[in-house]
This record gives sequence, structure tokens and C-alpha cells, in this order.
Amino acid sequence: ETGVTQSPTHLIKTRGQQVTLRCSSQSGHNTVSWYQQALGQGPQFIFQYYREEENGRGNFPPRFSGLQFPNYSSELNVNALELDDSALYLCASSQGRIHPYEQYFGPGTRLTVT
Amino acid sequence: ELKVEQNPLFLSMQEGKNYTIYCNYSTTSDRLYWYRQDPGKSLESLFVLLSNGAVKQEGRLMASLDTKARLSTLHITAAVHDLSATYFCAVEEGRNQFYFGTGTSLTVIP
Repeated sequence: ETGVTQSPTHLIKTRGQQVTLRCSSQSGHNTVSWYQQALGQGPQFIFQYYREEENGRGNFPPRFSGLQFPNYSSELNVNALELDDSALYLCASSQGRIHPYEQYFGPGTRLTVT
Repeated sequence: ELKVEQNPLFLSMQEGKNYTIYCNYSTTSDRLYWYRQDPGKSLESLFVLLSNGAVKQEGRLMASLDTKARLSTLHITAAVHDLSATYFCAVEEGRNQFYFGTGTSLTVIP
């Protein structure tokens, strides 16, 4: 197992609500990336944070937002939840901007929107 | 929009057999990653390929990258049951953006 942890493990929300997911990166890692993985699909890149600043963003609407804290842990916030937001949300941590981007994934948060 | 296509999507193979999973992508990136995902689990990094012609091997798995053909392969030698999982390739594009394929679900039958 990696040293990346995520909370909560599972979450059920109603359409229109807001949700916050949390990720603690592996020790020594200062970069966190978030992914959305719908059932039967590959992960889709949401955004990445490096030293508390957004460092790249995928094709997701602004209602998906994030934060990274001084200890490099991170939050993913989703506003105005839609049914299609139901998915496994993965965070991955890595070390700096130096390639290769050896990413270590957390166990994920399973979000269900009803 | 960058596309990453894997084939086959589903693969059932007998123990001891060899097979190859293909990953085609539509960008000029020379950074390609392979991951493994077990049911209900997260992603495990298998290989990082950073240049044309790169080849890496770990146990019964070998990955290669041909950036001119925009193709990576994951070759399985003498499959064993423990290799049953879903395998994803991912291409890094531009500014730290990673695009994953749809995955290949591998089942190794005794």
C-alpha cells in the first residue's frame, strides 16, 4: 500500500448538494493530483496542485475546485452535484516537478449522487 | 482532444500463454505510464516510459514505447492467475495532464 490516504471511503449525496473530499499525500511529496473514475472507465484528470497552487487542469467545470494546504494535503470540492458526478475519486501524490511523475494513488472515495 | 485507446478491452487467457495489450494515443507525447488496478482497489504504478524505444521489464510483464507510431505495448509472458486485473496506460500531455485509456480487463484462467 502507498502512504496516500483519502477520506471518507464512501459518501452518498443528493443532487444539488456540495461535497468535500480529502487526501493526505505520501511523506515527502509536494504534488497532489485528483482524478474521477466512472464505473468501467479509466481515470480522468481533474487538476493538480503543486506547493499550494493549481498546476494543471483537465476538462472539468469550475464547480470542481480544490485546495492544497501547507502540509501538502489536499481537498477536492464539488458544488451543485449532478447524477453524473457519481464515481470513484482518486488522488495521487508525487514529488515535485521533476520527471518521471511517479504517482502514488490513494484508495479512493466512492461518491454516489442520488 | 487527446485520445488514448487500449485494446483489447477484455482479455481472457490461459495460464502459461503469452499475450500483448496495445495502447494507441493521438498526441506527440513521449511519456507513457502503465498502471494496474485490482477490483475495488486503487491504481498501482507498473512502468514509466520516457523516451522513444524505451523498454522496461518486471517479472512476467514487459512494456515498450514507440513514440513515432504513438504506440505502447504491455507484453505478458507465461501468464499466471495473479496477473488478473485491469491494466491502464496513461499519456502525459503538456502541463502535467494525464490521460488514461479505458483499461484492459485481464482474466487468467487456470
